[in-house]
Amino acid sequence: EVQLVESGGDLVQPGGSLRLSCAASGFTFSDHFMDWVRQAPGKGLEWVGRIRNKANSYSITYAASVEGRFTISRDDSKKSLSLQMNSLKTEDTAVYYCASGWGQGGTTILVSWGQGTLVTVSS
Amino acid sequence: NFMLTQPPSVSESPGKTVTISCTGSSGNIGSNYVQWYQQRPGSAPTTVIYEDNQRPSGVPDRFSGSIDSSSNSASLTISGLKPEDEADYYCLSYDSDTHGVFGGGTKLTVL
Repeated sequence: EVQLVESGGDLVQPGGSLRLSCAASGFTFSDHFMDWVRQAPGKGLEWVGRIRNKANSYSITYAASVEGRFTISRDDSKKSLSLQMNSLKTEDTAVYYCASGWGQGGTTILVSWGQGTLVTVSS
Repeated sequence: NFMLTQPPSVSESPGKTVTISCTGSSGNIGSNYVQWYQQRPGSAPTTVIYEDNQRPSGVPDRFSGSIDSSSNSASLTISGLKPEDEADYYCLSYDSDTHGVFGGGTKLTVL
């Protein structure tokens, strides 16, 4: 059974930093593309970014709203995905989900989701 | 910027059929696969359709997906509606730079 478990969500001040993690199990992590998706309170889903697999050079694509502030990384040996968030803004307040899937033409066919971790940016 | 537009809400009675649309703002929606996700209140999203019309194991065949290139839209159809189908539904596809794009979501009410 595929399991994705996020951790690291917290209350942080504007301008601060936070690192989220996602522990994966139940599938061949190294083969999969991994994405981050967020959802602000009472709002819809927003795609944050993606890291591809080794066969695709671990290349990364970010949403414009987080480019230059957020960094996605993965450790295939630990079956772990991370999201380093810097220069946080109040509008980054959201539940952050990690999601997995297979690659298709550089995009991700997202099929599995974690339960999410809440990040609150407030003074 | 590529956008996907969904109706904010739809409602239908139990046992009936409902279709939720997802219309692309430009280009050819068929150039990248469309996925559909169900999100019940307080829960994480789950996948009900991937690659336009494929169902993950465990998703009943009451759920189906399709693409209409003439209207540049994707559709999620749920037949034999049940109360437990009441949820928010989101479509996902990608722009020409492989950025993910979600539709705004549709709240399904089963009356």
